[in-house]
Amino acid sequence: QKEVEQNSGPLSVPEGAIASLNCTYSDRGSQSFFWYRQYSGKSPELIMSIYSNGDKEDGRFTAQLNKASQYVSLLIRDSQPSDSATYLCADHLGAQKLVFGQGTRLTINP
Amino acid sequence: NAGVTQTPKFQVLKTGQSMTLQCAQDMNHNSMYWYRQDPGMGLRLIYYSASEGTTDKGEVPNGYNVSRLNKREFSLRLESAAPSQTSVYFCASSELWSGNTIYFGEGSWLTVV
Repeated sequence: QKEVEQNSGPLSVPEGAIASLNCTYSDRGSQSFFWYRQYSGKSPELIMSIYSNGDKEDGRFTAQLNKASQYVSLLIRDSQPSDSATYLCADHLGAQKLVFGQGTRLTINP
Repeated sequence: NAGVTQTPKFQVLKTGQSMTLQCAQDMNHNSMYWYRQDPGMGLRLIYYSASEGTTDKGEVPNGYNVSRLNKREFSLRLESAAPSQTSVYFCASSELWSGNTIYFGEGSWLTVV
């Protein structure tokens, strides 16, 4: 079992709707999680980090962490065509090891 | 403000050839990483260096070697390239772990024929 699992998509969402991206992880001891966005042909860029159970909001983005169920999610409100990208979930497993899921490709349709 | 710089950006190798990917960061970070990215596989950690003078294996270290030359530079060497090593390689750096952000270079596209 991969340490971090994501649905590879593609996920299609109409412009203005909420995009919901999900990620599950296998290590119950994991403490910190990251969401990265990656445009085609570019390097990943950090969107949000989350360490505590519950929600963390930053502009149109909300990260949610549920340690009991071992999942992390990212909600994008008022989706824009510029949000079309691959979204990578990452689990920091300690000792400087950041482990990524396979990524979910998101397409926002105008 | 360069951040993380990788060279070369593109490279074509023949099977069995060797090459070194160079990486340098100007953010005075302690930790540096090499990842590879294949379609549908996300980013997989090859090697990392938590601090100058130390290196450790990641998820997929076979066929690679690394050198942490100094605090700024972390190189990745393919001794005998194989077609399975065709991939996009990303170097990254971060401050010593406290949940800090990892910053990525622009990537190196490597094709082994």
